[in-house]
Amino acid sequence: SAVISQKPSRDICQRGTSLTIQCQVDSQVTMMFWYRQQPGQSLTLIATANQGSEATYESGFVIDKFPISRPNLTFSTLTVSNMSPEDSSIYLCSVEETGEAHGYTFGSGTRLTVV
Amino acid sequence: LAKTTQPISMDSYEGQEVNITCSHNNIATNDYITWYQQFPSQGPRFIIQGYKTKVTNEVASLFIPADRKSSTLSLPRVSLSDTAVYYCLVGYNAGNMLTFGGGTRLMVKP
Repeated sequence: SAVISQKPSRDICQRGTSLTIQCQVDSQVTMMFWYRQQPGQSLTLIATANQGSEATYESGFVIDKFPISRPNLTFSTLTVSNMSPEDSSIYLCSVEETGEAHGYTFGSGTRLTVV
Repeated sequence: LAKTTQPISMDSYEGQEVNITCSHNNIATNDYITWYQQFPSQGPRFIIQGYKTKVTNEVASLFIPADRKSSTLSLPRVSLSDTAVYYCLVGYNAGNMLTFGGGTRLMVKP
């Protein structure tokens, strides 16, 4: 299965600033996904990122707040812009596995705290 | 999108078999059923996937009745390290397999 490296693993940021999270995959993948997981909660999909096209955002998430880049088939970034304490969460990237199983592999996440 | 319903939490003891049932009444014909495990401070990890009947791997078994409106994840002889949140997802294509329900928080006690 794919191996995902996500950076940074954690950060503490001042409100009003922005943080860019990087997701690197060890193989080429068509689709990459970004999730948010608030403390003690389940995962919520933010957006789907295909290489060469604009990301598709889920209801409640907008590009101005969470701009995404997908410059190639192994890399993506998610920026959390103009942060507030409500943005404190774990952010995870994920890729779809190819092959027989219709499953997904997740990075270990970025724990963001906004103060 | 197929909605899933799972118990919020379960307790068990080391060495016991744990069965977690997930309801998915509006599962579509092409949908697969996939279970993930998540430890604190980690991303979810794929455990097992099935379409119908029974699937077994080195970690778990997945039982799916003929109507496919539910599924049961079976963990044999759990240990303390199986304490985690378990998520049931239903879907086929990227874009409809990505809706996580609340998950089941399993606590294994000594």
